[in-house]
Amino acid sequence: AQSVTQLDSQVPVFEEAPVELRCNYSSSVSVYLFWYVQYPNQGLQLLLKYLSGSTLVESINGFEAEFNKSQTSFHLRKPSVHISDTAEYFCAVSDRDGANNLFFGTGTRLTVIP
Amino acid sequence: GAVVSQHPSRVICKSGTSVKIECRSLDFQATTMFWYRQFPKQSLMLMATSNEGSKATYEQGVEKDKFLINHASLTLSTLTVTSAHPEDSSFYICSVDGGSYEQYFGPGTRLTVT
Repeated sequence: AQSVTQLDSQVPVFEEAPVELRCNYSSSVSVYLFWYVQYPNQGLQLLLKYLSGSTLVESINGFEAEFNKSQTSFHLRKPSVHISDTAEYFCAVSDRDGANNLFFGTGTRLTVIP
Repeated sequence: GAVVSQHPSRVICKSGTSVKIECRSLDFQATTMFWYRQFPKQSLMLMATSNEGSKATYEQGVEKDKFLINHASLTLSTLTVTSAHPEDSSFYICSVDGGSYEQYFGPGTRLTVT
């Protein structure tokens, strides 16, 4: 079985400052890793994913995440946040050998302060 | 990605009644859809996988006779909460399997049972 831990439920950060949202997972099998973002009153949207290849993956809006197998982590980072990045961020894993089932963390509320 | 809608966005019902939630894939033919529920400050929990034209696959601990799922077309899946009780109050979210380990999510339905 898989589980995902997002230790920080809320992260306030000033505009243009860097941010890191932490995600650790536990699994007995190999996994795929995802970050989803949920803006107010909208559904979850895929931000980025790691399936294979380079362990550093990037999104189109400046976020990046690095798969660290030894630390079972997939932390999300952005060097300079904008007001528009204020949202809820969910880390998720999927079993490589199973169906396309996602196991989610509890989410981190990122609030960017002007 | 696919645009997914849910109706209603909010519903209040009395204990003992049934309520139906619709999930529509507006621009993508969805062979597979997923239903999740989310309690406050908790992660999304997969309830069932809905396959077009066949019976849904329920996760362990989810009562299939209580949470009826129908996926009669490639654009519509419905979740009916039968004989609802206050403990069924939750946020219900559907998603569409977009392939390549990507899911497209609806905005969710807030169910309150009084």
